[in-house]
Amino acid sequence: DAGITQSPRYKITETGRQVTLMCHQTWSHSYMFWYRQDLGHGLRLIYYSAAADITDKGEVPDGYVVSRSKTENFPLTLESATRSQTSVYFCASSWGRGNTEAFFGQGTRLTVV
Amino acid sequence: DAKTTQPNSMESNEEEPVHLPCNHSTISGTDYIHWYRQLPSQGPEYVIHGLTSNVNNRMASLAIAEDRKSSTLILHRATLRDAAVYYCILISGGGADGLTFGKGTHLIIQP
Repeated sequence: DAGITQSPRYKITETGRQVTLMCHQTWSHSYMFWYRQDLGHGLRLIYYSAAADITDKGEVPDGYVVSRSKTENFPLTLESATRSQTSVYFCASSWGRGNTEAFFGQGTRLTVV
Repeated sequence: DAKTTQPNSMESNEEEPVHLPCNHSTISGTDYIHWYRQLPSQGPEYVIHGLTSNVNNRMASLAIAEDRKSSTLILHRATLRDAAVYYCILISGGGADGLTFGKGTHLIIQP
């Protein structure tokens, strides 16, 4: 299916476990982004990527790792999950910057117990 | 990306026009003005964007002040499905950093 998809949609994990959230887009967009959304904080940028093998930190990168070996995939890994990482995570992609729109996935609701 | 200021919430009646304001006094010449919205339990959705001139699309219109320090998103005839949080964002035409979202405006539509 065309578009941007996130998996899983829901995940419950235990404190200290490693968990990976997947993001896949079918447009070959150059830019990809990961956000988390918590009540009272709105959307906060975790990491972004301007192209394959190019990633950079956003506003709240601590505790997260990303990679982008292929243009279409941008996985987000929580190396040792903590309760404070309980959140809804959104992935997005876009062709470029100012003159293009970004497309967002449906989100992954992660609960760390 | 430069900062934007929006009202926390606005209320409107169904089938009436809605004007959502955004101030961006520190906008630079290469910044595009984007609007996204987020319906309950969904990811953000692109609405419209512009640089200097007013823009129209099937969802909305964007009116940009002559000095570009403010803009207004216009929903011509609001429906209950337009109830959402609306975000005004400035995105540089160059650079490679991420999209920065503020708190947005929570639009409430009364039937």
